Amino acid sequence: DIQMTQSPSTLSASVGDRVTITCRASQSISSWLAWYQQKPGKAPKLLIYKASSLEGGVPSRFSGSGSETEFTLTISSLQPDDFATYYCQQYNSFWTFGQGTKVEIK
Amino acid sequence: EVQLVESGGGLVQPGGSLRLSCAASGFRFSSYEMNWVRQAPGKGLEWVSDISSSDSSIYYVDSVKGRFTISRDNAKNSLYLQMNSLRADDTAVYYCARGSGRTPRGDFDYWGQGTLVTVSS
Repeated sequence: DIQMTQSPSTLSASVGDRVTITCRASQSISSWLAWYQQKPGKAPKLLIYKASSLEGGVPSRFSGSGSETEFTLTISSLQPDDFATYYCQQYNSFWTFGQGTKVEIK
Repeated sequence: EVQLVESGGGLVQPGGSLRLSCAASGFRFSSYEMNWVRQAPGKGLEWVSDISSSDSSIYYVDSVKGRFTISRDNAKNSLYLQMNSLRADDTAVYYCARGSGRTPRGDFDYWGQGTLVTVSS
């Protein structure tokens, strides 16, 4: 089974900050990685697919990069609506999510 | 507008059964792979099961194999999850999620609002 490890688990940041979240796979997953945003009590929302492709309607301040085993999600300028929990997901072999990164207000 | 609406959750005793449903609208349901994903209270996301558009391929996470059965009725635009021999660690919000179709067994582009399953005596 492919394990996904996100870091950090919690991130404190201010509006306007550049934020980077890392996701590491236990084995190569090529570019088969997605990023989701989840707010309390709500369903996850797809942000990025295939490591770096922006889902339609998602603000361009979100970007993804990486391949094989190391990936990053970057928010170029954190907005009030971005405080949420972010999950990576591999879909190279079935599906596995990272444990999540909570972005909270500093 | 794509909509996925889950139902069927509730309180069930350990060892009991429950059937979840997901009603789909706003897209050609029969053309899309569908999934169930769960989230235990205060925890992360866990993929549970996947079914191909024609139900020719079905997959489960190891922890539910032999206990859960995924199915779909394309004529009714509905996805189901039959859950038997429920355990306390099955307690979670269960989401149905649509495979985007960009690749087989790919990312999930639409999610329902979830239905809570609580397994407790």
